[in-house]
Amino acid sequence: NAGVMQNPRHLVRRRGQEARLRCSPMKGHSHVYWYRQLPEEGLKFMVYLQKENIIDESGMPKERFSAEFPKEGPSILRIQQVVRGDSAAYFCASSPPPGLARKAGYEQYFGPGTRLTVT
Amino acid sequence: AQSVTQLGSHVSVSEGALVLLRCNYSSSVPPYLFWYVQYPNQGLQLLLKYTSAATLVKGINGFEAEFKKSETSFHLTKPSAHMSDAAEYFCAVKGDYKLSFGAGTTVTVRA
Repeated sequence: NAGVMQNPRHLVRRRGQEARLRCSPMKGHSHVYWYRQLPEEGLKFMVYLQKENIIDESGMPKERFSAEFPKEGPSILRIQQVVRGDSAAYFCASSPPPGLARKAGYEQYFGPGTRLTVT
Repeated sequence: AQSVTQLGSHVSVSEGALVLLRCNYSSSVPPYLFWYVQYPNQGLQLLLKYTSAATLVKGINGFEAEFKKSETSFHLTKPSAHMSDAAEYFCAVKGDYKLSFGAGTTVTVRA
């Protein structure tokens, strides 16, 4: 059973370009979370999605950042007009639907991350 | 809102010595608590989790943690450090659905 997949693993963008980060959850998981890890810091929650729904985007910067989780395909975190401060590791996690999540102890399964560098 | 505080951003231990990483939590409801490990340039791997079934939780790689409600703590220990334990460790608490992480503790192991 494949784990959470993220691509690309490393992404370099110049200031002003767009960055697209992809996340494929574990098989059977319908909930996706995005976290950002700035250098020397812990992970900070950004957004929580279910298929075709954004449940909570309270951790997302108000501008330039958006996320989606379409009915088909991976979840996408999109950053428009990147700036140097966007340089970070972006992690995706997935979990089963709520009924099964409780049985799993509410564990979230993390992908390997995408390390974004803005030059 | 739920939160965790990790005491000590860096811990250095000798190979074979006890590893003790401290985590205190704040939660208005019975918490679900987690310890994750992150090796350089990798993702997070779950070490163990507390789900109220037992206060002493055993995880992978010889780690364990004890939930102490009276002290609002969930400290992580390993009796004998190995060189491969050098990594960053994160304590986390579940909120409504998202995890709130501590700032992390970097462990270095001296030969």
